[in-house]
Amino acid sequence: NAGVTQTPKFRVLKTGQSMTLLCAQDMNHEYMYWYRQDPGMGLRLIHYSVGEGTTAKGEVPDGYNVSRLKKQNFLLGLESAAPSQTSVYFCASRLLGNEQFFGPGTRLTVL
Amino acid sequence: RKEVEQDPGPFNVPEGATVAFNCTYSNSASQSFFWYRQDCRKEPKLLMSVYSSGNEDGRFTAQLNRASQYISLLIRDSKLSDSATYLCVVNIRNDYKLSFGAGTTVTVRA
Repeated sequence: NAGVTQTPKFRVLKTGQSMTLLCAQDMNHEYMYWYRQDPGMGLRLIHYSVGEGTTAKGEVPDGYNVSRLKKQNFLLGLESAAPSQTSVYFCASRLLGNEQFFGPGTRLTVL
Repeated sequence: RKEVEQDPGPFNVPEGATVAFNCTYSNSASQSFFWYRQDCRKEPKLLMSVYSSGNEDGRFTAQLNRASQYISLLIRDSKLSDSATYLCVVNIRNDYKLSFGAGTTVTVRA
């Protein structure tokens, strides 16, 4: 099993550009999450999904959109990137009652 | 009040020392507790779950104190490789969302 994978691993964008981060899990987990982590700070929840076709806002959703068309995939979109979105983005998945598994992260820089 | 609070440290200890730190949580009805480890610029990884009666995994011991609403992690015989940030994680409302503490930084020196 690959666990949780994320693509791309690194990306540099210019202000105003758009991009999509892809997260995939092969553990048949119901719940999936997108977090961002900034230097010296903890994880902040952007959006989450409790099942295929459902998404919801987390703590810091502004400037991001998500989709979960298939149970194993959770996409995070930035429609118009801003320098404040420079961060490390982690995807995670879990089953209710169990621990959470994280992907390796995407390091995004917005110039 | 934050849902999960941790002493940020840093704890700077020599090899072979014992280090321990706590984490408090806001909801007395919470049922699931975990300690995660995060190395610099890497993803968090599960270190151990925390059970009501306390549990050990090698040099690591986790305890739960429901009356005072805190969990603890103790590391015995510290190794250089134990240097990391340790995240306290609680399923505060026993639902979809795990709440993460900001982390406790441990540095083990030679």
